[in-house]
Amino acid sequence: LAKTTQPISMDSYEGQEVNITCSHNNIATNDYITWYQQFPSQGPRFIIQGYKTKVTNEVASLFIPADRKSSTLSLPRVSLSDTAVYYCLVGAYGQNFVFGPGTRLSVLP
Amino acid sequence: SAVISQKPSRDICQRGTSLTIQCQVDSQVTMMFWYRQQPGQSLTLIATANQGSEATYESGFVIDKFPISRPNLTFSTLTVSNMSPEDSSIYLCSVETGIMETQYFGPGTRLLVL
Repeated sequence: LAKTTQPISMDSYEGQEVNITCSHNNIATNDYITWYQQFPSQGPRFIIQGYKTKVTNEVASLFIPADRKSSTLSLPRVSLSDTAVYYCLVGAYGQNFVFGPGTRLSVLP
Repeated sequence: SAVISQKPSRDICQRGTSLTIQCQVDSQVTMMFWYRQQPGQSLTLIATANQGSEATYESGFVIDKFPISRPNLTFSTLTVSNMSPEDSSIYLCSVETGIMETQYFGPGTRLLVL
C-alpha cells in the first residue's frame, strides 16, 4: 500500500485559494488518488478522485503530475465552512485505505 | 455515490456490555468496511466485510471482540463486545461503489463506555 505524506496543518483566509500537496512516492500502477474532507463528529466526505493529469468538480480540483508521485488538492476561494481535516489516500479497488493524520485546514476570517 | 446510515448515532454504555452497530446502504455493494476513530485521531480499519464470506480483520482486531455480520449486499453489523472505556470511539462503516470504486462513509456511531 502506498504511503502518503501531507502537511499536518495549514492556515488560510476566507476567499483565498488553498493548495494541499500530498506525496506518494511508491504509488502503484493500479492506484487511484482520493481526497476526503472530515468535519468533527462526522464521517469523511468524498471530495475528488483521480488517476492522472487534472480532475475538476464543483468542489475542488486535483492536479496529478505525470510521474504520479504527488498530487495537489486545490480548493478555490475557501470559506470558514471549509475548516476541516483533509485526507489524501492512495489505493486500488479492493485495497484497504490507510489513513494518515491528514491536513488540518483552518480558514480564518 | 451511496447514501449510508448508521444506527445508533451515539450511545453511552457500561463496561462489560456489548453494543451492535448497524450500517445500511441504499444500493447493493460488494465491499463494506468498518473503521474506528479514537478521539483526536485518524481512522483505523477494523475489518473488511464482503457478503457471503467471513470478515477479514486487520492486525490488532479480533473476531471475538468485534464480530461482524454481512447478511446481504445492503447491510452489515459490527458488535463491540465486552466493552471497556478504551473502546470509546467513533465507529464508521464505508462502502466501495461506482465506476472508480470510490469509498463512501457513513455518519459514524459515537460510543462512550463508562
